[in-house]
Amino acid sequence: AQKITQTQPGMFVQEKEAVTLDCTYDTSDQSYGLFWYKQPSSGEMIFLIYQGSYDEQNATEGRYSLNFQKARKSANLVISASQLGDSAMYFCAMRFGGGNKLTFGTGTQLKVEL
Amino acid sequence: NAGVTQTPKFQVLKTGQSMTLQCAQDMNHEYMSWYRQDPGMGLRLIHYSVGAGITDQGEVPNGYNVSRSTTEDFPLRLLSAAPSQTSVYFCASRLGLAGHYEQYFGPGTRLTVT
Repeated sequence: AQKITQTQPGMFVQEKEAVTLDCTYDTSDQSYGLFWYKQPSSGEMIFLIYQGSYDEQNATEGRYSLNFQKARKSANLVISASQLGDSAMYFCAMRFGGGNKLTFGTGTQLKVEL
Repeated sequence: NAGVTQTPKFQVLKTGQSMTLQCAQDMNHEYMSWYRQDPGMGLRLIHYSVGAGITDQGEVPNGYNVSRSTTEDFPLRLLSAAPSQTSVYFCASRLGLAGHYEQYFGPGTRLTVT
């Protein structure tokens, strides 16, 4: 069975500093993908970044990068130069079943402070 | 493009009542899904569809029905609402092409069953 674990219920970071949000996963599939979504207090789910299991390079999207360590089954999100607007809940998710299904972690609440 | 739209935004039901949550997308996406989000938990897949006329169950399908008569619409029916179905419901869609795994989420419907 597929499982995503996010062990940090809450994180604090100072503005302009980098922060790493942890995500570990469990699957027996060879083909899968890892996502990170941001959910601000307004409630919508915003796609941030994606990494496929066969992608050799770590994915990057602007200030977001995904530190993918396949042997450790981890897919941590790194946010560089944190901004106040980064304060939100962050979910790690994994696709399986041909990409139609996502399983989500329980999320990490990030608070960026001045 | 409006993207993924959901109606209503909020709904209060009494136990035993039925209702339909509406979801529509104008991106010509083949795949559509319904998720529910409960406090302290990530999103869980209820039902999904890989195209018009084709639906399948997700992780938590009991108490919900779906149908997909058109590419654009994917309604979720609650046949006899129960307090355990109090949740925020998200609809999502994605392209059917290999390599295009990002799911686009609607704004959500907050449902309370009393």
